[in-house]
Amino acid sequence: AQKITQTQPGMFVQEKEAVTLDCTYDTSDQSYGLFWYKQPSSGEMIFLIYQGSYDEQNATEGRYSLNFQKARKSANLVISASQLGDSAMYFCAMREPPEGGSEKLVFGKGTKLTVNP
Amino acid sequence: DAGVIQSPRHEVTEMGQEVTLRCKPISGHNSLFWYRQTMMRGLELLIYFNNNVPIDDSGMPEDRFSAKMPNASFSTLKIQPSEPRDSAVYFCASSLGTSIDEQYFGPGTRLTVT
Repeated sequence: AQKITQTQPGMFVQEKEAVTLDCTYDTSDQSYGLFWYKQPSSGEMIFLIYQGSYDEQNATEGRYSLNFQKARKSANLVISASQLGDSAMYFCAMREPPEGGSEKLVFGKGTKLTVNP
Repeated sequence: DAGVIQSPRHEVTEMGQEVTLRCKPISGHNSLFWYRQTMMRGLELLIYFNNNVPIDDSGMPEDRFSAKMPNASFSTLKIQPSEPRDSAVYFCASSLGTSIDEQYFGPGTRLTVT
């Protein structure tokens, strides 16, 4: 069963506008973590933001914020004031409590964001 | 501080050859992860180590794949024999190893098997 769903294969946004990238997840655990990574065309994976399931406030990191709706099991990434350099693939990932010590992340398929000038 | 280092960055080899990918994690990180990324399957975890011990290798596709971590600063992923379907980008990542720590990825190795 797919645990992380990113329903938007591609998104377009105008420079300086805000954009929301969707992510829903599936877990029966109460304790888990949600991550967003950016992958520019150069290929590296860049960590953006983290949200713990028990965190009461939405995570923020500069222009990135995470709209965490626990009851809906969604963890959408909001990028404010988009820049041309934000054009990239964006991946949502989840880490569940360790089973036998497992720390593994499960990634979604990604959303390709294009920022237009 | 240097990030995760992977070598080679690109590898082209013929089917049947042995391929060895190398990774140096960030100093002080306790966990190391090997991922494979393809268009069809996305980003998949192959194996991960904690304190040099393999913890979860359920993602290793088959016996042709093996991974080792002889010490805290070095890991290898070996494919023997390689097949065209192994063509992918292979990432190594490391983390401090606690439940809230992000994983830092290396630049990846683009493997092409002809």
